[in-house]
Amino acid sequence: DIQMTQSPASLSASLGETVTIECRASEDIYNGLAWYQQKPGKSPQLLIYNANSLHTGVPSRFSGSGSGTQYSLKINSLQSEDVASYFCQQYYDYPYTFGAGTKLELK
Amino acid sequence: EVQLVESGGGLVQPGRSLKLSCAASGFTFSDYAMAWVRQAPKKGLEWVATIIYDGSSTYYRDSVKGRFTISRDNAKSTLYLQMDSLRSEDTATYYCARHSHWELGVMDAWGQGASVTVSS
Repeated sequence: DIQMTQSPASLSASLGETVTIECRASEDIYNGLAWYQQKPGKSPQLLIYNANSLHTGVPSRFSGSGSGTQYSLKINSLQSEDVASYFCQQYYDYPYTFGAGTKLELK
Repeated sequence: EVQLVESGGGLVQPGRSLKLSCAASGFTFSDYAMAWVRQAPKKGLEWVATIIYDGSSTYYRDSVKGRFTISRDNAKSTLYLQMDSLRSEDTATYYCARHSHWELGVMDAWGQGASVTVSS
């Protein structure tokens, strides 16, 4: 199975700040990488797919980058509604696997 | 509006069975592959199974292979997960998810989840 190592596990940032979340795959996943946002008590929502493609309706302050085994999610100008947990997921190969998640809080 | 509504969750004893359903609306169900993803309490997400659009192929994680069966009824726009020989480690919220039309492994719509507790 492809292991996804996500960091940091938790993150505290101020409104307007830029934050970055990292995800490392245990092997090359050829951009088969998605990012999801999960707000407390809610189901996950797709943000980014194909490592850097923004899903329909997602604000442009979210962006994804990376290649090979290293990927990142960047949130520019942090808003209060961005408080959530974020998960990366590889879909290059079965079984699909997720990172352990990053809990983003406001400072 | 895309809607996925799970049902059938509950408390079940170890070794028993449970069947989850997911009613889909707002899109042409028969055009999409579908998946089940679970989340144990206070834990991360774990993909469970995928079924392609016509049901002819299914994929499972190893820990549920032989115990869980994913199926679909395209005439009823409904996805199912039959869970047999349940174990305490299967306790989780189970989400029904739609796979993206263009990137199969991506899940672009999710239900609200059904809670399954396996305990004596």
